[in-house]
Order: sequence, then C-alpha cells, then structure tokens
Amino acid sequence: QQPVQSPQAVILREGEDAVINCSSSKALYSVHWYRQKHGEAPVFLMILLKGGEQKGHEKISASFNEKKQQSSLYLTASQLSYSGTYFCGTEHAPGSNDYKLSFGAGTTVTVRA
Amino acid sequence: DGGITQSPKYLFRKEGQNVTLSCEQNLNHDAMYWYRQDPGQGLRLIYYSQIVNDFQKGDIAEGYSVSREKKESFPLTVTSAQKNPTAFYLCASSIKGSSYEQYFGPGTRLTVT
Repeated sequence: QQPVQSPQAVILREGEDAVINCSSSKALYSVHWYRQKHGEAPVFLMILLKGGEQKGHEKISASFNEKKQQSSLYLTASQLSYSGTYFCGTEHAPGSNDYKLSFGAGTTVTVRA
Repeated sequence: DGGITQSPKYLFRKEGQNVTLSCEQNLNHDAMYWYRQDPGQGLRLIYYSQIVNDFQKGDIAEGYSVSREKKESFPLTVTSAQKNPTAFYLCASSIKGSSYEQYFGPGTRLTVT
C-alpha cells in the first residue's frame, strides 16, 4: 500500500529548514529515502531499519517512529543542491513475503537563492 | 565502473506494437526491479526478481512481461495490452531484497502514439 507523503511541495530560501513526512496505514519494517533531480534517476539517501532510529546524510537527517508508522526527513540549512523530489519507500513487516518497496508520490523541494 | 545501464534513453513506438526495454547491471546484485513513473504518482512497481529464473508481479504488472535468464539482465516488454504505456521507466537493483539500498538506472522514456 502506497505511503502518504506531505507536503506535496515546498519552496525554501537557502539556509531555511524543512520537514517532509511519510506515513503508512500498515506496520513498517523499514523506510527508505531517495532524492530525484529532474530528468534523472532517484539517488539513495538513507534507510531506517529500527523504530526511533535517526540517520543523517550531510545536513539531511531522518527519523522513524515505528509506533506511529511514520518517518520524517529533515532538511537543515538548505542548499541549492537540495532541490529535487524526495520519495519515501516503505517496507512492511518481514514474514509477509513482501520483498518490495512501496513509494510515496513524492515531495518537490525548491531551494531558491 | 559498476552500475546499471538502460537503453535506449528515448523510445518511440506506434500503438499496437510490443517493445522491449533493456536493463543491465554489473553490480553482482541478486534483486532487480522495474518501476513506472508518471507525473505526480511517484514510483510504481511493475515486476521484481529476487533470483535468476524467478520473478514476481508488482502493483501494476498488467500489460507487461519480464524475464530473468541471467543475473545481470532484466528486460521489460511493454505489450500491446498495456492501455497507457507512455511513461518514464526505471530499472533498479539491490544486493538482496528490499531492505537494502536500491541503485537506479538512468531510465527510458517511452512514448507510444
């Protein structure tokens, strides 16, 4: 089942912060985050495998709230290079024989000078 | 350099024709995936394969077919039964299953008229 991402789009000035949320109606085993620049392939940012785990990639970090079945991606002190569409991919509990990710519709981030 | 190649980058076909999209990886990954991307809809899984000679339907498999005769190759055929084939198609691979980072190819933009 496709996770829900919010907001759909956000516009930032350089140096500003933003939060992107990803929520699921089913229990989550892992959450992936990817960024896609226009016309290019998605690029991996991070995977969160445990509830409450936080990971970081430069000034981009994420948290995973297993109980709430959601993850949040934090863009801190945004740079022009952060522009793109961010996707979360969710994997449900192991044992379901469900070896695939379901991706959200994406959040388009535009960072302006 | 290791990676995933997809060819061609742009493909044009007439309605009613089958067309095969190529995907090759030299990362020695076991798992491979095909996604379709339409504007505003994120990535939707068409087919995936965990090992050679085995593959499973994703969320939107109707009108598509795949084969996995070699570990390196996972071609996708868009058949004439696919009602709306015009889209951006992305191939990806991962070491094992969906708990691992997925590496994406550059994509093939298919236009059917």
